[in-house]
Amino acid sequence: GENVEQHPSTLSVQEGDSAVIKCTYSDSASNYFPWYKQELGKRPQLIIDIRSNVGEKKDQRIAVTLNKTAKHFSLHITETQPEDSAVYFCAASDANFGNEKLTFGTGTRLTIIP
Amino acid sequence: DTEVTQTPKHLVMGMTNKKSLKCEQHMGHRAMYWYKQKAKKPPELMFVYSYEKLSINESVPSRFSPECPNSSLLNLHLHALQPEDSALYLCASNQEGYNEQFFGPGTRLTVL
Repeated sequence: GENVEQHPSTLSVQEGDSAVIKCTYSDSASNYFPWYKQELGKRPQLIIDIRSNVGEKKDQRIAVTLNKTAKHFSLHITETQPEDSAVYFCAASDANFGNEKLTFGTGTRLTIIP
Repeated sequence: DTEVTQTPKHLVMGMTNKKSLKCEQHMGHRAMYWYKQKAKKPPELMFVYSYEKLSINESVPSRFSPECPNSSLLNLHLHALQPEDSALYLCASNQEGYNEQFFGPGTRLTVL
């Protein structure tokens, strides 16, 4: 089955700086890679996702890059703000449009220092 | 209605009790999921229902029994749980043709 590794487990950055979180996956059949943000006591919320036919995707301050050959993908957050503090999970699946297994990474606790 | 809802928010039960968790969505999504999340860990998939039929069971113990009575509703029946089953139980759904899974707020379960 799929195995997703995520690093680092904790990350502290100064407000305004950039944060990068990296994930690697094992199953070459995986083709969908979402990133979820989970605040304390709240539900996971999708912040960005990427498919295997795309190398990079941006949404305002958030970007994701995918290297299929190396089987790794990364989350980049620029101009970090205190509200970015949360746990971030990467995930991978061999997407089957509505009937799929998401395998999550172990999570990164991001703390933005004001 | 653009949300997945779950009830109850919190549940405390003894090891001999029988209880049920409920999940609802009115977004027309055809796949619904149960996840278990322990503290400081990622969500782990338990079950997937597609078009009201069980399509994935991740070798979950039989003390957890899922049910999908209709396309909007997903239940998880609990019986003879163990203290190690205490966790946040998350429901999710997604629409045919789209990968994004929408999560509910979860039920925090404590087994005494």
